[in-house]
Amino acid sequence: DAMVIQNPRYQVTQFGKPVTLSCSQTLNHNVMYWYQQKSSQAPKLLFHYYDKDFNNEADTPDNFQSRRPNTSFCFLDIRSPGLGDAAMYLCATSSRWADSSYEQYFGPGTRLTVT
Amino acid sequence: GQNIDQPTEMTATEGAIVQINCTYQTSGFNGLFWYQQHAGEAPTFLSYNVLDGLEEKGRFSSFLSRSKGYSYLLLKELQMKDSASYLCAVKDSNYQLIWGAGTKLIIKP
Repeated sequence: DAMVIQNPRYQVTQFGKPVTLSCSQTLNHNVMYWYQQKSSQAPKLLFHYYDKDFNNEADTPDNFQSRRPNTSFCFLDIRSPGLGDAAMYLCATSSRWADSSYEQYFGPGTRLTVT
Repeated sequence: GQNIDQPTEMTATEGAIVQINCTYQTSGFNGLFWYQQHAGEAPTFLSYNVLDGLEEKGRFSSFLSRSKGYSYLLLKELQMKDSASYLCAVKDSNYQLIWGAGTKLIIKP
């Protein structure tokens, strides 16, 4: 089945220790997104890629970086995690950006704990 | 600013009907989505509305009124597995998805 995969599902890191979260997709979608979601809050868009075109949200902290080496893979790097970065990180894909009807497909998420 | 409003929490009884409301103020409108999110899991797509009116899909229906900036999700014949958060999201004029914080639905036997 075509899907969005995220690894690991649970990640524990220490305060200030860099961490990388990964996402892969078999849907062959052009657009990939990274969201941060804290408990009982709306998902917050951090970045999106349209093919290899990178789009950084204005309020995404510099501490967060992203890479998309090819269509299938996307990575989220947190350079120096703080306690406030503990959250669920969701990767999503959609086949197009500028088409209103295309929904986003989400991976299962990576729950990040910062100790 | 852009804003999506939904009730924080609702409670309903198994077998009953519940309506979850969503009001929005966004810069432009290119469709409204409803997603279901079980605790600790990713959101899954439920419905999409871009024209006014009701879209029915099995036990779930979604309604849109663009002039009022209003939508609702109607769940019929509630089952225990429907206990989840329901997120309303609107695509704005830049096709960016603006998310509500979600409505936590608690189903009681």
